[in-house]
Amino acid sequence: AQSVSQHNHHVILSEAASLELGCNYSYGGTVNLFWYVQYPGQHLQLLLKYFSGDPLVKGIKGFEAEFIKSKFSFNLRKPSVQWSDTAEYFCAVKINNNDMRFGAGTRLTVKP
Amino acid sequence: DGGITQSPKYLFRKEGQNVTLSCEQNLNHDAMYWYRQDPGQGLRLIYYSQIVNDFQKGDIAEGYSVSREKKESFPLTVTSAQKNPTAFYLCASSPHRQGNYGYTFGSGTRLTVV
Repeated sequence: AQSVSQHNHHVILSEAASLELGCNYSYGGTVNLFWYVQYPGQHLQLLLKYFSGDPLVKGIKGFEAEFIKSKFSFNLRKPSVQWSDTAEYFCAVKINNNDMRFGAGTRLTVKP
Repeated sequence: DGGITQSPKYLFRKEGQNVTLSCEQNLNHDAMYWYRQDPGQGLRLIYYSQIVNDFQKGDIAEGYSVSREKKESFPLTVTSAQKNPTAFYLCASSPHRQGNYGYTFGSGTRLTVV
């Protein structure tokens, strides 16, 4: 079945640790890729997106993601996390410029 | 500021009742969406609308209904036929459904059946 997979349900890190959240998708064809973040009590916000060109995209708050087409992956990274990065992170894939499909989300807890 | 307003923030429903969740946007977006968010399942699409007076079922439309009489408004009714309605409901919009647009989300409505 076509899907968006986020492998980690809950990640716990200490401040200043490096972060990598995995996202894999199983769709062929044209894809647009997104990461959204949901801070506690707030609405989902766009963190970054990839449409074409350089596969390494930079987003807000020091986040970046790399599109590896051969691995159908779009992992999210941050070199040094802060307590304020505690949130839930959702990977999303837009297929053929049409349907947006979301992963199950990864909850990140950063310990001060 | 432009955005999406969802109301109410919390809603309690008795078994057998229909309830309507409000979603209003002032972004002049053509496309609007309703998602249901359950723990560990991410966001699942209930209904979407690409233009006024038109809407399409998403993956989990059973037990829900929508209308799109105005561009700004896309209310969702959770009917008594929805077997497990307790969830967090998110409304979103985008300039168009087609194209490389991301979505703007509202702050959500948490529905609890009592």
